Amino acid sequence: AQKVTQAQTEISVVEKEDVTLDCVYETRDTTYYLFWYKQPPSGELVFLIRRNSFDEQNEISGRYSWNFQKSTSSFNFTITASQVVDSAVYFCALSDQTGANNLFFGTGTRLTVIP
Amino acid sequence: EPEVTQTPSHQVTQMGQEVILRCVPISNHLYFYWYRQILGQKVEFLVSFYNNEISEKSEIFDDQFSVERPDGSNFTLKIRSTKLEDSAMYFCASTSEGRLYGYTFGSGTRLTVV
Repeated sequence: AQKVTQAQTEISVVEKEDVTLDCVYETRDTTYYLFWYKQPPSGELVFLIRRNSFDEQNEISGRYSWNFQKSTSSFNFTITASQVVDSAVYFCALSDQTGANNLFFGTGTRLTVIP
Repeated sequence: EPEVTQTPSHQVTQMGQEVILRCVPISNHLYFYWYRQILGQKVEFLVSFYNNEISEKSEIFDDQFSVERPDGSNFTLKIRSTKLEDSAMYFCASTSEGRLYGYTFGSGTRLTVV
């Protein structure tokens, strides 16, 4: 069965600090996709990244970076030099063939960046 | 950039009433979804829809729920007789033929059942 674990319920950092959000997943499929979404206070889901199981290359996009490690079934998300606008709930999600390619979300991590 | 549009943004209804949540997916997308997020909890899959029929549904999607694509552009979620526990944010999403590419969510409808 699919499972996504985000052990950090809430994190608070001071502006300009770096912060890493953890995501651990479980799947029996060899082909799967991992996602990160941001949910700001306004409530919408903002797509951040999609990574397939065959691509373990880390990715950087501005202040955001992602570390995908199949050996530990983790897909961690780092924000460098955090800003107040980064305050949101961040969800990690998994999609695999067994789950009919629907998204299974983790419980989310609420990030608060203190000015 | 193409968007998935959901209306209304917020709906308040009395327990036992029927509600219809509306979504306009991206025009060339073929797969449509509804997800639900109870306040403070994770986002959960409800149902997927392809080729004018339900392709998958979760345990949450019981007989009180139905979906429809009545006119080729709208995609609706109907809750027949709302319960207090149906209060949640409902997200519509659509994807193209590639399914996992261009998985776009709408901005959600917050349903409050009183």
